[in-house]
Amino acid sequence: QKEVEQNSGPLSVPEGAIASLNCTYSDRGSQSFFWYRQYSGKSPELIMFIYSNGDKEDGRFTAQLNKASQYVSLLIRDSQPSDSATYLCAVRGEYGNKLVFGAGTILRVKS
Amino acid sequence: DGGITQSPKYLFRKEGQNVTLSCEQNLNHDAMYWYRQDPGQGLRLIYYSQIVNDFQKGDIAEGYSVSREKKESFPLTVTSAQKNPTAFYLCASSLTNEKLFFGSGTQLSVL
Repeated sequence: QKEVEQNSGPLSVPEGAIASLNCTYSDRGSQSFFWYRQYSGKSPELIMFIYSNGDKEDGRFTAQLNKASQYVSLLIRDSQPSDSATYLCAVRGEYGNKLVFGAGTILRVKS
Repeated sequence: DGGITQSPKYLFRKEGQNVTLSCEQNLNHDAMYWYRQDPGQGLRLIYYSQIVNDFQKGDIAEGYSVSREKKESFPLTVTSAQKNPTAFYLCASSLTNEKLFFGSGTQLSVL
């Protein structure tokens, strides 16, 4: 079992819709969770982070964490073509010394 | 401007040659990391360092070496023992156990 798992996609949504990206992790002691956006040929850019159970909202982005289910998600409201990218989920484990990444989900927003 | 600088942007390696990728940060971050990304895949950790003069192997350290003589610098050497070095290499830094910020990456190819 991979430490951090994501559906590779591509996930296709129409412009203006809500995109829902999901991630599961295996280390029950994980402490912090991150979502990065990566455009083709570029480096990852941090867009959201969450440490506690529940929801965290920042503009059009909402991160949701459920530690009991070992599940973290990212919702993008009013999706725009510029949101088309690969979204990487990353989890910092119980001892906090390294960040483990999922393989990423490709998101395509169609205008 | 504060940030992480990787150089060169593109690098070519001949068979049997060692090459060194540079990573410098002026964010005063304690921790630095090297990740490798293959096409369509997530990031895999090569080495990380949480303090000067100390570093730990990540998941795929074989064929690579690092040094951390200064807080600002964390160079990665790809040795001739790394038989499949073609990949996108990403350097990152963070405050201890906090979110990662990435450099712009180095694309390494084999001649």
